Amino acid sequence: EVQLVESGGGLVQPGGSLRLSCAASGFTFSSYWMHWVRQAPGKGLVWVSRINTDGSSTSYADSVKGRFTISRDNAKNTLYLQMSSLRAEDTAVFYCVRGFSNAFDNWGQGTLVTVSS
Amino acid sequence: QSALTQPPSASGSPGQSVTISCTGTSSDVGGYNYVSWYQHHPGKAPKLMIYEVSKRPSGVPDRFSGSKSGNTASLTVSGLQAEDEADYYCSSYAGRNNFVFGTGTKVTVL
Repeated sequence: EVQLVESGGGLVQPGGSLRLSCAASGFTFSSYWMHWVRQAPGKGLVWVSRINTDGSSTSYADSVKGRFTISRDNAKNTLYLQMSSLRAEDTAVFYCVRGFSNAFDNWGQGTLVTVSS
Repeated sequence: QSALTQPPSASGSPGQSVTISCTGTSSDVGGYNYVSWYQHHPGKAPKLMIYEVSKRPSGVPDRFSGSKSGNTASLTVSGLQAEDEADYYCSSYAGRNNFVFGTGTKVTVL
């Protein structure tokens, strides 16, 4: 069974940093693109970032480009999202998601990031 | 990277059909056959219902179907059931390894 378990969310002040982690199990992690998707309170899903299988290629939504960095450790079956210069509008539940045929076929339960002073 | 446009709400009685539209541009929906649809019950993880415009993952009932014409994709839920009440989002590949979601549609089973 595919499992994606996010951690690292919490309360952070504006301008601060936070690193999210996603522990993957139940599949060959190194064979799949991985993504982060977020959902602000009361709002819709928004794609944030994706990374290819070996970590050599990444892409980002314009809203986070230059502030967020996606990475992965295939030896540890773990996906990361390093977030810096956080803003109030980054407040959201962040989902770790497995990619499949340019879709998102397995989702974690999400971790809440709150940016507030 | 503008969000794809979906109607805010849709509804139908049990057993009826409901169709949700998802409008983008030639740079996303119209440019690639990589439209997908997700069912999201609040507080739970979203679930993939349709990928590559019209393909169903294993375990998704055939009551769910997808299609595309030009820059607009559609999800049809036939034989509505109470458990189909949820938020639905479309998504599309948008080129250069970027992706975009729709604005979301709340489906109510009357």
